Amino acid sequence: GAGVSQTPSNKVTEKGKYVELRCDPISGHTALYWYRQSLGQGPEFLIYFQGTGAADDSGLPNDRFFAVRPEGSVSTLKIQRTERGDSAVYLCASSSPQGSNTGELFFGEGSRLTVL
Amino acid sequence: AQSVTQLDSQVPVFEEAPVELRCNYSSSVSVYLFWYVQYPNQGLQLLLKYLSGSTLVKGINGFEAEFNKSQTSFHLRKPSVHISDTAEYFCAVSRQGGSEKLVFGKGTKLTVNP
Repeated sequence: GAGVSQTPSNKVTEKGKYVELRCDPISGHTALYWYRQSLGQGPEFLIYFQGTGAADDSGLPNDRFFAVRPEGSVSTLKIQRTERGDSAVYLCASSSPQGSNTGELFFGEGSRLTVL
Repeated sequence: AQSVTQLDSQVPVFEEAPVELRCNYSSSVSVYLFWYVQYPNQGLQLLLKYLSGSTLVKGINGFEAEFNKSQTSFHLRKPSVHISDTAEYFCAVSRQGGSEKLVFGKGTKLTVNP
């Protein structure tokens, strides 16, 4: 597609439930990033994929959070046993092939997660 | 590690007035610098970036920013704002030679009033 696509745009769930958020990056972009944006805050880094592998997962807050990118394109962010504090907008971004050094990320519109 | 400080959480201005949104960063290594804008109900989009070369960079919609290494600043300016500039503005840094992983500031909400 033309841009980064994220689904669902809105997700309301109950505390303790499992949630999956999907990201479809720009075609040809090898790098994919997940960020979390809480109310009144800037985006916080969660995890970065280069191809299929997680090159940096230092931002994942705990082991309830996990992300995969099995074929090097679409990625899924998985949250187990959701807590009210997980409520936020989850942003996905992609960037052009490694070595292009443009420094620019292209963001999707985000998935707003509300945990009741 | 890098960090970004945006001193002003909200900046209200009148239409056609000049505006400056402040950004300071901290890093032990050389960085790239960015300003992203988030319009209501839209995703983040790049406004401008500094990678190297001239310290004055121009972006979309008449915005510009100046990289000041000695003051570790990258303030965003526009000489005359429009109502349509109302949005949230985020300053961000990434490490030179690394991935495009960005560290963001908390954002500045710019409100342009008629």
